[in-house]
Amino acid sequence: TQLLEQSPQFLSIQEGENLTVYCNSSSVFSSLQWYRQEPGEGPVLLVTVVTGGEVKKLKRLTFQFGDARKDSSLHITAAQPGDTGLYLCAGAIRRNDYKLSFGAGTTVTVRA
Amino acid sequence: DTAVSQTPKYLVTQMGNDKSIKCEQNLGHDTMYWYKQDSKKFLKIMFSYNNKELIINETVPNRFSPKSPDKAHLNLHINSLELGDSAVYFCASSQVVGNYGYTFGSGTRLTVV
Repeated sequence: TQLLEQSPQFLSIQEGENLTVYCNSSSVFSSLQWYRQEPGEGPVLLVTVVTGGEVKKLKRLTFQFGDARKDSSLHITAAQPGDTGLYLCAGAIRRNDYKLSFGAGTTVTVRA
Repeated sequence: DTAVSQTPKYLVTQMGNDKSIKCEQNLGHDTMYWYKQDSKKFLKIMFSYNNKELIINETVPNRFSPKSPDKAHLNLHINSLELGDSAVYFCASSQVVGNYGYTFGSGTRLTVV
């Protein structure tokens, strides 16, 4: 069983539409991260959230960490084809945890 | 200028062979990792080294042996390769323990035939 459940698994939208990806767990995390992975490349860190209720913005991307630190969401406004990729959430249970557990990912396709 | 570099990018080999994947980071990070990404894109940790010391060894067959000659390098040697070892292997590094983001290499796609 995976520690982090992501939904949906696949998402295909038209350019200009908004989308939200969810990351849920029954465990409490000291921090949670979001990565984007493009074909043939490694995941690239987008953001780290550490405080319950925290909201971070990165241009058209908005990340939220749940109050109880068990879940997170990634919202993209006015999606562009360049947003296409595999979005992965990853979390560490303890503050100095050497092991980051990853969700299974959400494949996002933005059609021009 | 590549932060975490892995070689080779692609590796095709026959069952039973032994192969190595090399990883180097120039970020000054203390901790390095090997992750395996399966065909469903799920990333699972294999090993973690902190300052050349092995700190995580997940349930990985002992045919897999990591080696860290110094904190900037972490290599992965695989003996007696099996079909099920086919996957993409990622090296990563982080500045402080765990929580502040990994920098990944671009991966090594291993195909065992």
